[in-house]
Amino acid sequence: GENVEQHPSTLSVQEGDSAVIKCTYSDSASNYFPWYKQELGKRPQLIIDIRSNVGEKKDQRIAVTLNKTAKHFSLHITETQPEDSAVYFCAAYYTGGGNKLTFGTGTQLKVEL
Amino acid sequence: NAGVTQTPKFRVLKTGQSMTLLCAQDMNHEYMYWYRQDPGMGLRLIHYSVGEGTTAKGEVPDGYNVSRLKKQNFLLGLESAAPSQTSVYFCASREQGVAYNEQFFGPGTRLTVL
Repeated sequence: GENVEQHPSTLSVQEGDSAVIKCTYSDSASNYFPWYKQELGKRPQLIIDIRSNVGEKKDQRIAVTLNKTAKHFSLHITETQPEDSAVYFCAAYYTGGGNKLTFGTGTQLKVEL
Repeated sequence: NAGVTQTPKFRVLKTGQSMTLLCAQDMNHEYMYWYRQDPGMGLRLIHYSVGEGTTAKGEVPDGYNVSRLKKQNFLLGLESAAPSQTSVYFCASREQGVAYNEQFFGPGTRLTVL
């Protein structure tokens, strides 16, 4: 089955700096890669996703890049703000995977003033 | 439109007791999922369903059972609770489609087994 590894497990940045979270996946057939943000005590919510036919996708201050050859994808947050503090999860899906996502173990991002 | 809801929000059980967690969605989604979330371990899939009357095992199914008698509801049962089942449980749903699409999560149920 699919295996997703996520690094780092914790990340602390100064407000205004950039943050990068990286994930690797094992199955080359994976074709959909979402990122979820989970604030303390809340439910995970989708913030951005990318499909395997695209190398990069941006939405305001967040972007995701995908390197299919290396089987890794990354979340980039620019001009970080205190409200970006949360746990971020990456995930991967492939068509033969039984209609389910495989999640990474999460990154606790803390944006310090 | 309430989205995905879960009942109850909190529960404390004693070892050996049983309970059922209810997930309901009003978006007419075909697929529904139950996850557990433990510190440092991310979201692990327990069971899932691709339609009314169907269920399938996920990554960590032992000690749990599920039923999907109605399209809008997905029930997670613990027959004999154990302390190792102390966790936060999330339900999720998504539309059927050729390509994967957004998965919507419920607010979670915090379960403590003493």
